This record gives sequence, C-alpha cells and structure tokens, in this order.
Amino acid sequence: RKEVEQDPGPFNVPEGATVAFNCTYSNSASQSFFWYRQDCRKEPKLLMSVYSSGNEDGRFTAQLNRASQYISLLIRDSKLSDSATYLCVVGRGTGNQFYFGTGTSLTVIP
Amino acid sequence: NAGVTQTPKFRVLKTGQSMTLLCAQDMNHEYMYWYRQDPGMGLRLIHYSVGEGTTAKGEVPDGYNVSRLKKQNFLLGLESAAPSQTSVYFCASKLSRERYGYTFGSGTRLTVV
Repeated sequence: RKEVEQDPGPFNVPEGATVAFNCTYSNSASQSFFWYRQDCRKEPKLLMSVYSSGNEDGRFTAQLNRASQYISLLIRDSKLSDSATYLCVVGRGTGNQFYFGTGTSLTVIP
Repeated sequence: NAGVTQTPKFRVLKTGQSMTLLCAQDMNHEYMYWYRQDPGMGLRLIHYSVGEGTTAKGEVPDGYNVSRLKKQNFLLGLESAAPSQTSVYFCASKLSRERYGYTFGSGTRLTVV
C-alpha cells in the first residue's frame, strides 16, 4: 500500500472557482503534514504546513483528520497562476523523512 | 542567499559509467535528502543524512551511495549507471524540527543510455 495516495486528476476549473484536493496516508505514526506545489519541470515548493486544528493562508485552507488519516487542501477564487501539480506530503521517522503523493494536477482556465 | 544548489543540472551517461551529483546548502540545515522523481511514481527517497558524517538508506537505495563529509554538502554517487537510473534527482534540506518543511534544489536531469 502506498504511503500517500492522491487523486491524480486532472482538475480543470475556471478562474474564480473553488477546488478541493484530498489525500490519505497509511502510516499512523506520521508526524508532520504539508502541501507542496510543483510547476512543470521545476522543483517542489512548500505551499503550506497542515496542522490538526486546520489552518488558512490567504485563499488556501488545509485540514488534517488524524483519526481518518486524511488531509485536504481547499483553494478559493482560483487564479491562472494556481495551475500546477499539488503534492500531499507526510513526514515521519528519525530523519523526518517525507513521503510524497504522486500529485494532483490543476489547470485553471480563463 | 543561494539556498540549495545542485550540480550538474543535466547529464547524459552511458551504461556502466559513474558520476557524482553534488548538493550544497548554505542554510545551516541539519538534515539532507536525495530523491528521484519518475513519471507516475512520485518522489522516492534514495538516501538521507541527519548530520555530518551520517547517512541512512531510504526507499530506493540500490545502485547509489552517498557521503556527507561536511554539513553543507551531500553527495550522491552512481558507481555503474543503468538505464533504470534515468530520472530527475532532487536534493533537499531541512531544519531538524518536525514542523519545518524541505527546501529543494532545482534538480538534476540524468539520462543513462
């Protein structure tokens, strides 16, 4: 079973739409949770950390449900610049190793 | 502030050749990592290091070796390259506390023919 599973999409949404991504993780010992964004042929970049109480950063809201081992990302008022692949990430282990989902592709259409 | 720098950015190797990928970070991060990214597979951990002089295996360590002789550098070696090692390689570093995320280098695109 994969450590982190995501719906690969693609999600094609119009500008201004709200879109939600979900992922599940398999190891209950996971300690840290993040969403990363990766543009085509670029390195992943940290979008936001995910906390148990839920957290928001501008148009982005992340939620964590430890009991269900489920993480979500909500993007409101989508912009063309939000087009990218979104990676769900969990961390655990002595080296804080990160385990990455395969990513969900988002295209925002004018 | 350069962050995480990877060299080279591109390389083509013949099967059986060896090479070393260099990762350098100037953020005084304790932890460093090497990943490979393949289509449909996501990022997979090759090796990692929690400090100078330490290394540990990740999910896919076979065919690779690493060294961390200095805190700021983490080297990934391919002793005898195989076509299955064609991939994009990313180095990352982070502070040791859990709540901090990775900072990635810009990647090395390696093709083994």
